[in-house]
Amino acid sequence: LAKTTQPISMDSYEGQEVNITCSHNNIATNDYITWYQQFPSQGPRFIIQGYKTKVTNEVASLFIPADRKSSTLSLPRVSLSDTAVYYCLVGDPGITGFQKLVFGTGTRLLVSP
Amino acid sequence: ETGVTQTPRHLVMGMTNKKSLKCEQHLGHNAMYWYKQSAKKPLELMFVYSLEERVENNSVPSRFSPECPNSSHLFLHLHTLQPEDSALYLCASSQTPLAGDNEQFFGPGTRLTVL
Repeated sequence: LAKTTQPISMDSYEGQEVNITCSHNNIATNDYITWYQQFPSQGPRFIIQGYKTKVTNEVASLFIPADRKSSTLSLPRVSLSDTAVYYCLVGDPGITGFQKLVFGTGTRLLVSP
Repeated sequence: ETGVTQTPRHLVMGMTNKKSLKCEQHLGHNAMYWYKQSAKKPLELMFVYSLEERVENNSVPSRFSPECPNSSHLFLHLHTLQPEDSALYLCASSQTPLAGDNEQFFGPGTRLTVL
């Protein structure tokens, strides 16, 4: 099980870039890294997923160093609506089991005006 | 809209009541999940179904009973619950059960309060 560790909370201001780092020292060779966003009283929503190097989509970028023991979610120019909890997950597409889908405590991001 | 709907959105029940939560996915996925999210605690995976067969049971108390009549519908039957069972219950679906590279689509959740 690739346990993940994230900061409990982060504060930012509108228009700033926010980087949230997740540590996953025990990541396995086949594990993918996935980030979700959750607003209060809603289900988590997929943001981005990657295996190595850098992935970018319309809302975020994901940076993964060569050793893959950590990953960084980058949110460019955050707005108030980006205030949410962000979760990092790692999991192997080829192995079933509850241990694969463990949401940690996540990082609570607060964006202020 | 994520393609996963849940009803009811809010439920208040006494400890002796029997109620059911319903989830429906319109995405053609093969796997469906029940999660529990208590206040200030991580999401806990409760049950996983793949093509209507239960894949795993994460040691959930028997007062929670899942049912998956077809690949689009998932129920969670509740009976003799305890106040500590009050939480947000989330349903999710994905193409492949428990696959680490699959995106999960979550419903809006049912906020359950047990008195």
